[in-house]
Amino acid sequence: GEDVEQSLFLSVREGDSSVINCTYTDSSSTYLYWYKQEPGAGLQLLTYIFSNMDMKQDQRLTVLLNKKDKHLSLRIADTQTGDSAIYFCAESRAGNQFYFGTGTSLTVIP
Amino acid sequence: GAVVSQHPSWVICKSGTSVKIECRSLDFQATTMFWYRQFPKQSLMLMATSNEGSKATYEQGVEKDKFLINHASLTLSTLTVTSAHPEDSSFYICSARDPLERTQETQYFGPGTRLLVL
Repeated sequence: GEDVEQSLFLSVREGDSSVINCTYTDSSSTYLYWYKQEPGAGLQLLTYIFSNMDMKQDQRLTVLLNKKDKHLSLRIADTQTGDSAIYFCAESRAGNQFYFGTGTSLTVIP
Repeated sequence: GAVVSQHPSWVICKSGTSVKIECRSLDFQATTMFWYRQFPKQSLMLMATSNEGSKATYEQGVEKDKFLINHASLTLSTLTVTSAHPEDSSFYICSARDPLERTQETQYFGPGTRLLVL
């Protein structure tokens, strides 16, 4: 199929780590991305990973890629209330078109 | 990262009228821009790929005569929703690629335009 799938909701306590998971379908994807969307706003690029990498760390963000299982995850360390948003994973397919996951709504509880 | 703007951010119109939404790349030239539509609490759906100087490529199921796309310059793409109806009410988001960036596939998104058709 063509779906990029994510779990819909995640709640964590402030200060804990959040892990948002994504499964994608196209094994030829070159890059995989994580975007953040706050209410009523556009998408903010958080980070991306090249398909020949299995991990990328960027400050509080850690991206893990399991290419064999087509599984991508985003870990946010020391989650803050400002991290509450919807997080989308996206894969870049042939023709450089993006296909987005269903989005995971992260709620951070103070 | 690169900056993409959209105008207007909000528009309310009467059914049957046409609405034009602008997407601009502010600090880079974009040969390719993308238009997405997002319904409440749903993901983004790609509507069309806008290519500077040529016709847009529409995704299956998107009416090209209803959603007119013009990419007349390297920094501007416009989406015109013609004869808008209430079911066209949605959040429209554009994105652009910076061809000079190392990760040439990365898309930068505008802040979105919320359209409400009465």
